[in-house]
Amino acid sequence: GENVEQHPSTLSVQEGDSAVIKCTYSDSASNYFPWYKQELGKRPQLIIDIRSNVGEKKDQRIAVTLNKTAKHFSLHITETQPEDSAVYFCAATPGRRALTFGSGTRLQVQP
Amino acid sequence: DAGVIQSPRHEVTEMGQEVTLRCKPISGHDYLFWYRQTMMRGLELLIYFNNNVPIDDSGMPEDRFSAKMPNASFSTLKIQPSEPRDSAVYFCATQRGYEQYFGPGTRLTVT
Repeated sequence: GENVEQHPSTLSVQEGDSAVIKCTYSDSASNYFPWYKQELGKRPQLIIDIRSNVGEKKDQRIAVTLNKTAKHFSLHITETQPEDSAVYFCAATPGRRALTFGSGTRLQVQP
Repeated sequence: DAGVIQSPRHEVTEMGQEVTLRCKPISGHDYLFWYRQTMMRGLELLIYFNNNVPIDDSGMPEDRFSAKMPNASFSTLKIQPSEPRDSAVYFCATQRGYEQYFGPGTRLTVT
C-alpha cells in the first residue's frame, strides 16, 4: 500500500518568512495529493491539492509542487502570518479511494 | 450545504459501555470515511464505504468496533465494549470526486 513520509515534524518561522513542508510517497500509481490544515481543536480542512498531470499549483500565498519522478511533493507558504499557525498534513491516493496521510507538521509563526 | 454532520460532539463514558457515533454525509457524496486521531498515532483510517458498501475495514482495531451505512444519508461507528484506550477524536469525512471533507469530529473520553 501507499506510504507517505512528511518532514519536518515541527517548523517555527518568523512572521513574513516563507515555510516549506515536504512529503514523499511510495506508490507510483498515486495521482492526487491534497494538503490539509488543522487548527487546534478543529477539523482538518482542505487548503490546496494537486493532481499528477500538473507540476505546480498556486492559490494566493500557498503553492504546491509535485515531482513525480522523485515521488515527492511540497507545500510552500509565503509571507507567513500568525493565523497560518496550525498542523499541516499531506496525503496521497492512487485514485478515488482512501487517502494515506503524512504524520503532520506543526507550524508556528512567531509574530 | 451544512457540510458533514457528526453527533455527538463530545462523549464521556465509562469503560465497558457501548458508544455509538453518528455521521450524516454531504448530500451526493458517494464515499464515506471514518478516522480516529490521537497524539500518539495521528490520523488513522478505520473504515470506508462507497455507495453504502464497506470497501476496506482493515483499519478497524478489533471486533469491538463496527460500522454501518444503512443508507446514503447516515452512518454509525459503534464501540462495544469501550475501553480507555479508545479515547480519541473520531472524524467522519465524505467525498465526491477527489476532494474529501471532514466533519467536526466527536471527542470520545472513556474513563
